[in-house]
Amino acid sequence: EVQLVESGGGLVQPGGSLRLSCAASGFTFSGYWMTWVRQAPGKGLEWVANIEKDGSQKYYVDSVKGRFTISRDNAKNSLYLQMNSLRVEDTAVYYCGREWGPIDYWGQGAPVTVSS
Amino acid sequence: DIQMTQSPSSLSASVGDRVTITCRASQSIGTYLNWYQQKPGKAPKLLIYTASNLQSGVPSRFSGSGSGTEFTLTISTLQPEDFATYYCQQSYSSLMYSFGQGTKLEIK
Repeated sequence: EVQLVESGGGLVQPGGSLRLSCAASGFTFSGYWMTWVRQAPGKGLEWVANIEKDGSQKYYVDSVKGRFTISRDNAKNSLYLQMNSLRVEDTAVYYCGREWGPIDYWGQGAPVTVSS
Repeated sequence: DIQMTQSPSSLSASVGDRVTITCRASQSIGTYLNWYQQKPGKAPKLLIYTASNLQSGVPSRFSGSGSGTEFTLTISTLQPEDFATYYCQQSYSSLMYSFGQGTKLEIK
């Protein structure tokens, strides 16, 4: 059974940093692109970033470029999102997902609140 | 950037109704269009991929069509469990995927 479990969310002040993790199981992690999608309270889905199977290609939505870094450790079956210089508008539930274009499996989400 | 626009933004319907949601892309995306269902407090669920392919385990009352810039999601006979928010997503360019703003389907 495919499982994705996010961790690392929480409350952080504006300008602070947070690192999200996503532990994958039930599939060959190194065989898939992985992605992060977020959802602000009461809002729609926003794609944030994705990473190629071996980590060689990474893409980001414009609003997080230069502040967020996506990475993966295929030996640990884990995906990460390092978030720096956090802003109030980054407050959201962050989902990791397995993707091959469509995102066919999603984690349960990690809430991130940026507030003073 | 490719912009995705869904219509309507909200929709009221009754159990047993046939419902259609439209998604338009700001440029041609071929058939790289996916549909998701999301219920409150839950992660999204993939329903349809590459415009018209039903994801495994999804009931056959869901169908998708379209290509280029205009796409539709149809629910043939609404069931109580179908009341949710639906999103389209383009996967034409892995440089920047994007979602539609969502369509909230409510009980009339």
